[in-house]
Parts: sequence; structure tokens; C-alpha cells
Amino acid sequence: GAGVSQSPSNKVTEKGKDVELRCDPISGHTALYWYRQRLGQGLEFLIYFQGNSAPDKSGLPSDRFSAERTGESVSTLTIQRTQQEDSAVYLCASSWEQFFGPGTRLTVL
Amino acid sequence: KQEVTQIPAALSVPEGENLVLNCSFTDSAIYNLQWFRQDPGKGLTSLLLIQSSQREQTSGRLNASLDKSSGRSTLYIAASQPGDSATYLCAVNDQAGTALIFGKGTTLSVSS
Repeated sequence: GAGVSQSPSNKVTEKGKDVELRCDPISGHTALYWYRQRLGQGLEFLIYFQGNSAPDKSGLPSDRFSAERTGESVSTLTIQRTQQEDSAVYLCASSWEQFFGPGTRLTVL
Repeated sequence: KQEVTQIPAALSVPEGENLVLNCSFTDSAIYNLQWFRQDPGKGLTSLLLIQSSQREQTSGRLNASLDKSSGRSTLYIAASQPGDSATYLCAVNDQAGTALIFGKGTTLSVSS
């Protein structure tokens, strides 16, 4: 069956631009997580959605970061006015068992 | 604040060796502990999940143990193979369904 998919797989952008990253979870999974993995660092939690409950945004590093999810469908992570320190692999996982997508590698020049 | 540490950061072994990867966490009040494998340029694959009430889990050549009171877990890989080369990540959460807190991983290289 289809796993978690993410798009784009790679994104290069200029400092100051906005970017939008997409995650398609496994159908039927109510939980969805976003993580960030910077070079040489462990995964950092960003945001967690559970069904129609208010998301847990406690991991978002600044107000430039936001995420949306409608119901149990696709989620988008938006980073406004990107900075070089935002360069990382952004990973999405669905279900409490944490099935991960392949990630989006973001490079901010 | 929960912190997860993995030792060693990197490990190189010849094919066929048995090996142990270590994970420690600072707050013993965990709900689950998971071991993941990450291949270059790819996402994470869950290897083993140990609930806080369990002591160990086994899958094929992999065995993970959990000692919650001491804040430690080990991942034992038997008869290592070149295909086992990857980064192994340990992660914990403190409640059902909450986000995981990850260690930085152990990068394993198995030579043939």
C-alpha cells in the first residue's frame, strides 16, 4: 500500500522567500507529525496534528513557521521569510506508530 | 526536559560481528521507546517499538532491551551484514501519541 509521501523532495530557495512543504499521510491515519533534521543534529519535533483537535505547536521554532491540516488529509508546512538556518530535511510522519515519509531537503541560499 | 543520548556516534565492524548500540534518556517517565533505521537520503523506518511495561522486543536479528529505571536501552544486532549499514536512531515519548524525542543516532558501517 501507499506510504507517506512528501513533496517536493528537494527545494532550493533564496533567503527571504516563503516556501511550502507538503505531506500526504497514509489514508486513515489521524495523527500527523512534522520534524526537522538539521545537518549533524537529531530530529526536532515541530508540530503534531491529531484529528480535529487543536494542533500541538510547541516545537515550532519561530512565528515564521506555520502548518495546516484539514481533517485527516494533506498537511502543509509553510516557512515565511526563510533564513539560512532553516536549511534542513523536513520529515513528516503519520500515525502514533510514526510511519515516516522520505522528507524534503530544504536549502536556503 | 527529556534528552536522549546515543553512544557511539559511529561504529565500523566487519561482516558477521555481533554488536550493541546504546541509548540513554534522562527522564525515566517514558511511554514508548522506538528504534529506527535511516538510510542516506531516505526517511526513517521503524525497527522495534518497546512499550514502557515491556523489557525487550525482537525482530529477526535485532533485539532491543529497555531498562526504564536506569534510563537505558540497547539495540543488539546479531551477525551483522553490509546491508545493515545505516544510521540507527533511538527515540522516546512520554505519553501515548505525543511526538518523539530523538537521539542524534549511531552511524553503522559493516564491511564485507
